[in-house]
Amino acid sequence: DAGVIQSPRHEVTEMGQEVTLRCKPISGHDYLFWYRQTMMRGLELLIYFNNNVPIDDSGMPEDRFSAKMPNASFSTLKIQPSEPRDSAVYFCASIASYQRGGGTGELFFGEGSRLTVL
Amino acid sequence: RKEVEQDPGPFNVPEGATVAFNCTYSNSASQSFFWYRQDCRKEPKLLMSVYSSGNEDGRFTAQLNRASQYISLLIRDSKLSDSATYLCVVKTSYDKVIFGPGTSLSVIP
Repeated sequence: DAGVIQSPRHEVTEMGQEVTLRCKPISGHDYLFWYRQTMMRGLELLIYFNNNVPIDDSGMPEDRFSAKMPNASFSTLKIQPSEPRDSAVYFCASIASYQRGGGTGELFFGEGSRLTVL
Repeated sequence: RKEVEQDPGPFNVPEGATVAFNCTYSNSASQSFFWYRQDCRKEPKLLMSVYSSGNEDGRFTAQLNRASQYISLLIRDSKLSDSATYLCVVKTSYDKVIFGPGTSLSVIP
């Protein structure tokens, strides 16, 4: 079974440009999480979804950030307009709830999207 | 106050040493606890879950003290391959998963 798939793996863009990061969770997982990782702030939870519905977006830094999950197999994180301080590695992760057989509680991560905003 | 706190380290230990990492969490309603490992420029991966009675997996021992809201990880007989960042993870109500800032470990030959 394929793991969590993220794209692009690397993106370099200029300040002010729109950035869209994509994630395909593991089939059958009903939770999807977006995290941002920097040296200074560590791994921060931005937003998470359950059954495609956003549950908690309190970690989204500001209105420039938005996330959607139109169906169970796809999610996007959009930054518009991007700024240099948005440079980070963005991870997507998914997990199956206990009801869906996720007994271990293990969160499975994608390989991350490394964003550089110049 | 951060929801999950850890000593960032770095911890530099010789091969064969025993090293302990500590973690505290602020939400007393937290339900599940884990230790993840992250290698440089890679994604985090589950090392082990932490159970109330404490649990062991080979050289790794995890303990939980709910009253003190404290979690620990003990690594015995450290190997070079143990060098990584160790992340304390807490699952709160509503299945929110929060990561600590991580503790960096370097095992030296």
